[in-house]
Amino acid sequence: QITLKESGPTLVKPTQTLTVTCTFSGFSLRTSGVGVGWIRQPPGKALDWLALIYWDDDKRYSPSLKSRLTITKDTSKNQVVLTMTNLDPVDTAIYYCAHYGPNLFDYWGQGTLVTVSS
Amino acid sequence: QSVLTQSPSVSAAPGQKVTISCSGSSSNIGNNYVSWYQQLPGTAPKLLIYDNNKRPSGIPDRFSGSKSGTSATLGITGLQTGDEADYYCGTWESSPSAWVFGGGTKLTVL
Repeated sequence: QITLKESGPTLVKPTQTLTVTCTFSGFSLRTSGVGVGWIRQPPGKALDWLALIYWDDDKRYSPSLKSRLTITKDTSKNQVVLTMTNLDPVDTAIYYCAHYGPNLFDYWGQGTLVTVSS
Repeated sequence: QSVLTQSPSVSAAPGQKVTISCSGSSSNIGNNYVSWYQQLPGTAPKLLIYDNNKRPSGIPDRFSGSKSGTSATLGITGLQTGDEADYYCGTWESSPSAWVFGGGTKLTVL
């Protein structure tokens, strides 16, 4: 079965760079049409899509955050990494990764809470 | 503020039916498939409906989806207290190419 799990720091200082890793199993990022996306959710707020990487290394980013985001994949390790630069307290959120099939996110990780505070 | 507009909240009694709407434009809902997600308190979102009206395996037929023009609707019949959750619609925005979620609708089953 498909599983995904996020990992990364729980506390990050303002202006620092966040690196979160999604480790997955049950599918391959070599399979045509498949992708892995990152979505975050500030406490008490709505889902906010961040980025998506496809099997062919095509990448999509949230237009409002594009300058701060980088998404990469390591197919051999079954991992997808998201980096976000210049963090601010408003970036405090649960960060989720999810398996993407065409036009849907069908499997989600449990999420990891990242707090931005000095 | 999301480009997909959802009512912040909706409520209904157990056993009743409720609809949750998601309003967009021709650059998103109007030309792309819509999916719906259920987020129970304290848990990760779960796919409920995809390709406008299809249910993944294991999702009961009490849940249905439809799309007309630039709006999509999630319907839930036979409401149960366990359906209390936040519901989000999602789709592609064509230009620039980016996934978008609605602002979410909180369902209360009274």
